[in-house]
Amino acid sequence: GESVGLHLPTLSVQEGDNSIINCAYSNSASDYFIWYKQESGKGPQFIIDIRSNMDKRQGQRVTVLLNKTVKHLSLQIAATQPGDSAVYFCAENIGNYQLIWGAGTKLIIKP
Amino acid sequence: DSGVTQTPKHLITATGQRVTLRCSPRSGDLSVYWYQQSLDQGLQFLIQYYNGEERAKGNILERFSAQQFPDLHSELNLSSLELGDSALYFCASSPRALNSPLHFGNGTRLTVT
Repeated sequence: GESVGLHLPTLSVQEGDNSIINCAYSNSASDYFIWYKQESGKGPQFIIDIRSNMDKRQGQRVTVLLNKTVKHLSLQIAATQPGDSAVYFCAENIGNYQLIWGAGTKLIIKP
Repeated sequence: DSGVTQTPKHLITATGQRVTLRCSPRSGDLSVYWYQQSLDQGLQFLIQYYNGEERAKGNILERFSAQQFPDLHSELNLSSLELGDSALYFCASSPRALNSPLHFGNGTRLTVT
């Protein structure tokens, strides 16, 4: 069935390095994508979104890249900090009022 | 602070019981969503309301029901509880029904014993 999946369940990154979290989606009709961050014991927190008419969008220390040709979404975090430790979820909107969520990638920051 | 308020934060109850979880959306948001998250799992979409009307249904059990009231707050009712219903239940809200970020509350942790 249609799904959004993540390549790596856990990602360890040295503090100060850049992090790249990847996400594959299967529905070429998806027109809206979102990245969320979930810290332990808290609800998911919106990070950044991108519409299908864009390839790249930047926020504060974060960049989302969308490659529609290979149906791939990535989240880049610049100069990773300890506070970035969390589980990151991608989600896609396939146009039926529902978001399809990925399984999540746990980002671990090494000191 | 997302602006979405969920009560209670924790709930412990026995199998067979019924509970009600409450959600107040962000001011101005018309759409409310309910999600279930089991331990170390992803988010499972349960149901969505927009301006008082049910808009989308996910993997919601027949033992579960929800509604959105005229003041836009929402309640999720879970009945005939089973051990497997133990999970975090999140409410989220957004301004529109489609293509806008969801803002999540901090959830209600339900433990069924």
